[in-house]
Amino acid sequence: GAGVSQSPRYKVAKRGQDVALRCDPISGHVSLFWYQQALGQGPEFLTYFQNEAQLDKSGLPSDRFFAERPEGSVSTLKIQRTQQEDSAVYLCATIPGGDYEQYFGPGTRLTVT
Amino acid sequence: KQEVTQIPAALSVPEGENLVLNCSFTDSAIYNLQWFRQDPGKGLTSLLLIQSSQREQTSGRLNASLDKSSGRSTLYIAASQPGDSATYLCAVRPPGFKTIFGAGTRLFVKA
Repeated sequence: GAGVSQSPRYKVAKRGQDVALRCDPISGHVSLFWYQQALGQGPEFLTYFQNEAQLDKSGLPSDRFFAERPEGSVSTLKIQRTQQEDSAVYLCATIPGGDYEQYFGPGTRLTVT
Repeated sequence: KQEVTQIPAALSVPEGENLVLNCSFTDSAIYNLQWFRQDPGKGLTSLLLIQSSQREQTSGRLNASLDKSSGRSTLYIAASQPGDSATYLCAVRPPGFKTIFGAGTRLFVKA
């Protein structure tokens, strides 16, 4: 596709449910980032992939958060046993590689009730 | 630990005014700095990327400068328009993979 796409755009989960958020990168983009954005704040780094390798997961807030990119293209961010504090917008960004500009998807707004 | 601060947090100006948004960072060891705009409920749109070896970048009515030694960047918007109303975010990329964002400046341009 022409840009980064994310699905679903909106997700409401009951506390304790598991959720899976998907990111489809721009074709050929090697690097992929996941961010969490709370209301009124800038995005916070969660994790980084280069192709299928997860090179940095230092921003994942707990072991309930898990990300994968098994074939080096589509990535999935999974949150187990969701908590209210997980409510946020989850953003995915990709770059062709190196120090190029990041291209962001529209985000998934997660609300945990 | 790298920290990014944006001042002011919010700004309201009349249409046609030139304005400057400020971004400061605590560690000068960065690969690049990127300015984004974010419209309500939307993702981020890249405006300008400045590599660590560069001093400024320009695109249309936008000009961004970078002074690594002082840990500062500015985004200059000329002849502001109501369509410029959005939140502007600055982000630095230190060595490694983590990108650090500021909290943003919310800009409102009055017609």
